[in-house]
Amino acid sequence: GAVVSQHPSWVICKSGTSVKIECRSLDFQATTMFWYRQFPKQSLMLMATSNEGSKATYEQGVEKDKFLINHASLTLSTLTVTSAHPEDSSFYICSAPDVAPRDTQYFGPGTRLTVL
Amino acid sequence: RKEVEQDPGPFNVPEGATVAFNCTYSNSASQSFFWYRQDCRKEPKLLMSVYSSGNEDGRFTAQLNRASQYISLLIRDSKLSDSATYLCVVRQNTGGFKTIFGAGTRLFVKA
Repeated sequence: GAVVSQHPSWVICKSGTSVKIECRSLDFQATTMFWYRQFPKQSLMLMATSNEGSKATYEQGVEKDKFLINHASLTLSTLTVTSAHPEDSSFYICSAPDVAPRDTQYFGPGTRLTVL
Repeated sequence: RKEVEQDPGPFNVPEGATVAFNCTYSNSASQSFFWYRQDCRKEPKLLMSVYSSGNEDGRFTAQLNRASQYISLLIRDSKLSDSATYLCVVRQNTGGFKTIFGAGTRLFVKA
């Protein structure tokens, strides 16, 4: 099946720094990628939809200036958490839909961010 | 009201037991339905799609009731390795596809 990778798998940073997370589709092209955030014991919450060649679409309540998304190519999307704060500590997961089987979403392994 | 609601559990069952999870969704325009499995600190992985006619994959059976906006997952002969969080997932097409995740139901299978 299709494979999506994420890097890094975990990161610890100081408050105020920026962190970049990469999401790659390894064996298929993805014009769309999704970025989710998951807090402990909660569901995945869609943050934004990344679109290759155009601006990302952000969900209500997600600050686009804080969570910068760039979809530079058909296999790479990046999420940059700018000026990270402890409340940004979470599990960030990207996913990409594949053409077949229909509606399948392939998830990256996730990035665990801890902001001190 | 949440768009996708699940009993968070946890469900604690012995090996070999049969366990059922339920899920309700609020948007009648929802088109596709899935069960995902998520292990601790891991990404969700597709367990099975859910079709109106009901479908089975080994020990797992999924049912969809569109009239009641209700989805179920039945696990027979539970194994220790079934311990995980099971996510009910609904996909809508409201001017663009949108995937909604339930908060998940935690299952612990004990020897």
